[in-house]
Amino acid sequence: NAGVTQTPKFQVLKTGQSMTLQCAQDMNHNSMYWYRQDPGMGLRLIYYSASEGTTDKGEVPNGYNVSRLNKREFSLRLESAAPSQTSVYFCASRGGQGAWSGEAFFGQGTRLTVV
Amino acid sequence: AQSVTQLDSQVPVFEEAPVELRCNYSSSVSVYLFWYVQYPNQGLQLLLKYLSGSTLVKGINGFEAEFNKSQTSFHLRKPSVHISDTAEYFCAVSARSGNTGKLIFGQGTTLQVKP
Repeated sequence: NAGVTQTPKFQVLKTGQSMTLQCAQDMNHNSMYWYRQDPGMGLRLIYYSASEGTTDKGEVPNGYNVSRLNKREFSLRLESAAPSQTSVYFCASRGGQGAWSGEAFFGQGTRLTVV
Repeated sequence: AQSVTQLDSQVPVFEEAPVELRCNYSSSVSVYLFWYVQYPNQGLQLLLKYLSGSTLVKGINGFEAEFNKSQTSFHLRKPSVHISDTAEYFCAVSARSGNTGKLIFGQGTTLQVKP
């Protein structure tokens, strides 16, 4: 099993450009998450989807949009990239609805630089 | 809403010494608690989790954590660390009830094991 797959692994954008980060999981999980990781800030939740067809804002949603395309896929879009969005982005998935005791499985991350 | 505070950003320790990484949480509802580890340039993986029952939880690689409801803490301990334990450690919290599925992480603690 591949687990959680993120693409791309690395990306450099110019300020104002847009891009979509892709995430897919093959564990039949209902819930999916996008986090950003910055030095000293830990992992901060951007958006999450508790189940197919639902999305909710996390701690730092401004400047981002998400789409839960189907049960497997959850994409993160930057409409107009800013240098403050330079970060490492992680996608994660876990359990079923109501099973919030479940372990989250993480992708390998996308290192995004906005210049 | 839930929040997590990891009280130490960096913990240096000599090999074979004991270590404690501190985590406090805040929540208006009962929670599940997790510790994850991140090795350099990798995603996160689960060390252990507290669901219910015994307040002392044992995880992988000799780590354990103790849940203290009155102090709203979930500190991670290891009696004797190895060089290979050098990594970043994250505490996380998830509400037991409701349909949100939100999973919130702390700021992380870097464990530096010295020979």
